[in-house]
Amino acid sequence: EVQLLESGGDLVQPGGSLRLSCATSGFPFSVYEMSWVRQAPGKGLEWVSSVSGSGGRTTYADSVKGRFTTSRDNSNNILYLQMSNLRAEDTAVYFCARIGVVYYFDFWGQGTLVTVSA
Amino acid sequence: EIVLTQSPGTLSLSPGERATLSCRASQSVSSSYLAWYQQKPGQAPRLLIYGVSTRAMGTPDRFSGSGSGTDFTLTISRLEPEDFAVYYCQQFGGSPSFTFGPGTKLDIK
Repeated sequence: EVQLLESGGDLVQPGGSLRLSCATSGFPFSVYEMSWVRQAPGKGLEWVSSVSGSGGRTTYADSVKGRFTTSRDNSNNILYLQMSNLRAEDTAVYFCARIGVVYYFDFWGQGTLVTVSA
Repeated sequence: EIVLTQSPGTLSLSPGERATLSCRASQSVSSSYLAWYQQKPGQAPRLLIYGVSTRAMGTPDRFSGSGSGTDFTLTISRLEPEDFAVYYCQQFGGSPSFTFGPGTKLDIK
């Protein structure tokens, strides 16, 4: 059974940093591209970042480019999102998601809440 | 950037009725790269349809997807009580890599 479990969400001050983790199981992690998708309170879904199976290629939404870094540990089947210089508009539930063969998100974690506030 | 627009914003229907949800793209989308998701309150999104019309594992056959180019449709043939949720379309391509539509909320009438 495919499982994705995010952790690390917290209340952080503007300008602060936070690292999210997504522990995975039930599939060959290194084979799949992975993504982070976020959802601000009461709003829609926004793609944040993706990383290739090897971790060698990453892409980011313009809204987080230069502030967020996605990485992965293929030995331990964990996806990471390092967030820095956080802003109020980064407040959201952050989901990790597996990218399917034809660029859709076929499995999702339950999400972790990041709140950026003084 | 490919912008997705979904209509209507809210759709109020009764169980047993047919629902037709629209997703329109600002530029042509490759048919391989259009997907639909269902999200219920407090839950993660769930993949329903990918590649425009292929049902994901576990998606009931009352859900169907169609369309091409810039106009896509999700149809629910006969609404069940568990179908009332928010539905998002999503495309891949260009920059940013992935975009989602703003969602259609399907309400019980």
